[in-house]
Amino acid sequence: DQQVKQNSPSLSVQEGRISILNCDYTNSMFDYFLWYKKYPAEGPTFLISISSIKDKNEDGRFTVFLNKSAKHLSLHIVPSQPGDSAVYFCAVRGGGATNKLIFGTGTLLAVQP
Amino acid sequence: EPEVTQTPSHQVTQMGQEVILRCVPISNHLYFYWYRQILGQKVEFLVSFYNNEISEKSEIFDDQFSVERPDGSNFTLKIRSTKLEDSAMYFCASSLRAAEAFFGQGTRLTVV
Repeated sequence: DQQVKQNSPSLSVQEGRISILNCDYTNSMFDYFLWYKKYPAEGPTFLISISSIKDKNEDGRFTVFLNKSAKHLSLHIVPSQPGDSAVYFCAVRGGGATNKLIFGTGTLLAVQP
Repeated sequence: EPEVTQTPSHQVTQMGQEVILRCVPISNHLYFYWYRQILGQKVEFLVSFYNNEISEKSEIFDDQFSVERPDGSNFTLKIRSTKLEDSAMYFCASSLRAAEAFFGQGTRLTVV
């Protein structure tokens, strides 16, 4: 099942700089897009989401961008902090009658002090 | 801040035994879910529950699995006869709308 792909398994960024995490999806019917953060041995923590009718949503240091024509989603974290170090998952909702989430494989972000 | 709570945090069981994983969703939420993550793999959807019935289930959720909301607060996942390949982290989640789901801390199930 490759409907949602995060092609970078890991990313290393200096503290204070921008972190950009990317996600690609295959199905134009997906209607809601989310980012989750996960620490080891914990559940995913919801960060930010965006509906397919928008192309940008911002919440504090986190901004999500949606490019529907490219079927591409990105999360920007500015400025990055050491506490942001975690695995980040993008997730999509299937659209229509479904509300299940389809997760990407995750990107491990390491923010270096 | 309201949160989804799951018990136990770790369950070890023998193959063929029944297990029940328990969850207390966020109190005003209407949608309830179970997901699981096998070590090294993606988080994958198992089942969603709304208005006291299953609204959707994945291929993984076969006859060995069942869910129940026995009272106004608990939401359980039962695996009738566990297999080695059921070993995974199981996450309960809930949402107010059919949008952002909030996850519990997970139950690590180990089948031996």
